[in-house]
Order: sequence, then C-alpha cells, then structure tokens
Amino acid sequence: GQNIDQPTEMTATEGAIVQINCTYQTSGFNGLFWYQQHAGEAPTFLSYNVLDGLEEKGRFSSFLSRSKGYSYLLLKELQMKDSASYLCAAKDSNYQLIWGAGTKLIIKP
Amino acid sequence: NAGVTQTPKFRVLKTGQSMTLLCAQDMNHEYMYWYRQDPGMGLRLIHYSVGEGTTAKGEVPDGYNVSRLKKQNFLLGLESAAPSQTSVYFCASQDLLSGANVLTFGAGSRLTVL
Repeated sequence: GQNIDQPTEMTATEGAIVQINCTYQTSGFNGLFWYQQHAGEAPTFLSYNVLDGLEEKGRFSSFLSRSKGYSYLLLKELQMKDSASYLCAAKDSNYQLIWGAGTKLIIKP
Repeated sequence: NAGVTQTPKFRVLKTGQSMTLLCAQDMNHEYMYWYRQDPGMGLRLIHYSVGEGTTAKGEVPDGYNVSRLKKQNFLLGLESAAPSQTSVYFCASQDLLSGANVLTFGAGSRLTVL
C-alpha cells in the first residue's frame, strides 16, 4: 500500500532550527510536496522536490532522497508565526497526491 | 484575485439531510479537487475533475456526488448526510502551467452531522 509517515508533533524554540522528517512509500514517484497549514486555515504551498538534493527558499529548505524514500523540511530562525502543521505529500505514478497526517510544530518563546 | 472560494464555511446538518458545498476559482485552472480532512489523518481525495463536464472518483467517494458544469465551479453534494461525514472539506484547484503543479486550496468548509 501507499503510505506517508511523519511525526505527529514537534516542539522547538523561537530562533532555533527544526527538521521535520517524512518517509514515503508510493507506487511510483513523481515528486514530493511540503505544505504549511495554520490552525483553521487552508494548506499553503511551501516546496516541491522531484530530484535528489536540497532546495532552499529563504528560511525554509527541503531535502529529498529518492533512493531512501525520505524527505525533510528544515526551518531556520524559527518565528512564532511558524507554529503550524506541516503536511508532506508524495505524487504517485498516477500523479495523485498521497498525504501524510501532518506534523504539528509548536514554537515556544 | 480571490483564488479559491468555498461556501458555506460552516454548516450543521441532521442525519439524512442533504446539502451542497460550492467551490469557485478565478484562476482558470483546469483541475479541481475535493478533499476531506479528519484529525490524525492525511487529506483524503473524494472526487476530482480534470475539466468542465468531467468528474472522477477519488479515494473516498461513497456518499458524495459532484458536478463541474462550469470550469470555474466544482460542487460537492451530500444526498443523505451521515455522522461519519462530519469533517472539514477543502476544495483545491491546480495550476498545470507550473512545473510543480501546485494546489491552491480554499479556506475550508466545516461540516457537522448530528
């Protein structure tokens, strides 16, 4: 079956760095997405990886290893507004998205 | 530019009642999707559409129907609501012109079935 695993909840301190991991098992693979979702709001796009390696976008970076079925989202210089859920999603061979349950990130002052 | 608009934002139904959720997008996107989001679970695809006049079943289609009569609108119907359909429903449209084919989501519709 197809599956996405990511931690349920993580806590970090304002100004620090946090890494949110995601492992995936899909029938075929056509890219991996990270979305951010604040409580009670819609998911919004953060990053997309289809090739191995690191994609950097300001304070956020996303890494992909296709051979390991593994990705992570790295958030630097954490701010209180980064408190949100982070959703990992992999695109399978039919170009359908398989979603993880999300990682709730709590930022403490 | 409104993006994706969902109505209503909140609704309480009694078991057996029917209702329709409306999704409208102004980005001229071909693909549109209806998802449900439940605690502890990933987004699950209910139905989707790859263009005006077309619809297809997703992962959890039972108990729902959809229609895409106009390109900008995608309607999700519940003919006879059940408590198991209590959820937050998200509509999304997809930009096929970007390499990543990013999804743009509506703000969500919170449905409670008593």
